[in-house]
Amino acid sequence: GENVEQHPSTLSVQEGDSAVIKCTYSDSASNYFPWYKQELGKGPQLIIDIRSNVGEKKDQRIAVTLNKTAKHFSLHITETQPEDSAVYFCAASTLYNFNKFYFGSGTKLNVKP
Amino acid sequence: DTGVSQDPRHKITKRGQNVTFRCDPISEHNRLYWYRQTLGQGPEFLTYFQNEAQLEKSRLLSDRFSAERPKGSFSTLEIQRTEQGDSAMYLCASSSGTVNEKLFFGSGTQLSVL
Repeated sequence: GENVEQHPSTLSVQEGDSAVIKCTYSDSASNYFPWYKQELGKGPQLIIDIRSNVGEKKDQRIAVTLNKTAKHFSLHITETQPEDSAVYFCAASTLYNFNKFYFGSGTKLNVKP
Repeated sequence: DTGVSQDPRHKITKRGQNVTFRCDPISEHNRLYWYRQTLGQGPEFLTYFQNEAQLEKSRLLSDRFSAERPKGSFSTLEIQRTEQGDSAMYLCASSSGTVNEKLFFGSGTQLSVL
């Protein structure tokens, strides 16, 4: 099955700086890559996603890039704010088994005011 | 659209007891998923339903676990003879069922087995 690895496991940045979280995947058939934000005591919330026919997608301060050849994708958060502090998860699913999502182990982002 | 609702939010039980969790998906979503999340890890797939049919189960779902979605709306996840290793957050999610459709999660049920 698919294996998704995520790093770093923790990331601390100063408010206003940028944060980058990286994920790699193993199955070349993976074609959908969502990112989730999870706050303490809550379920994961979808914040952005990208499909394999697109190399980059941006939504205000967050962006995701995908390199299919290298099998990695990244989340970029610019102008970080304290409310961005949370655990972020990347995930992948494949066209032949699109109901099953494989998640990374998470990155705890701390934005210091 | 009130989102995915899970009940209870927290459950503390003694080892050997049975527990049941409920999930109400987004009303127009025909796919419903159960995931399990342990501390410091990402969610792990357990099972999913297309309407009332349970179409796939992970090997993580031992025979002590059973999930139902009797009328294609809400779902229940039951764990029989709970073990301490069952302690985790149980997450429910739903989607509208098209390829690569967005997955929406509930807030989860935190299970603690003493």
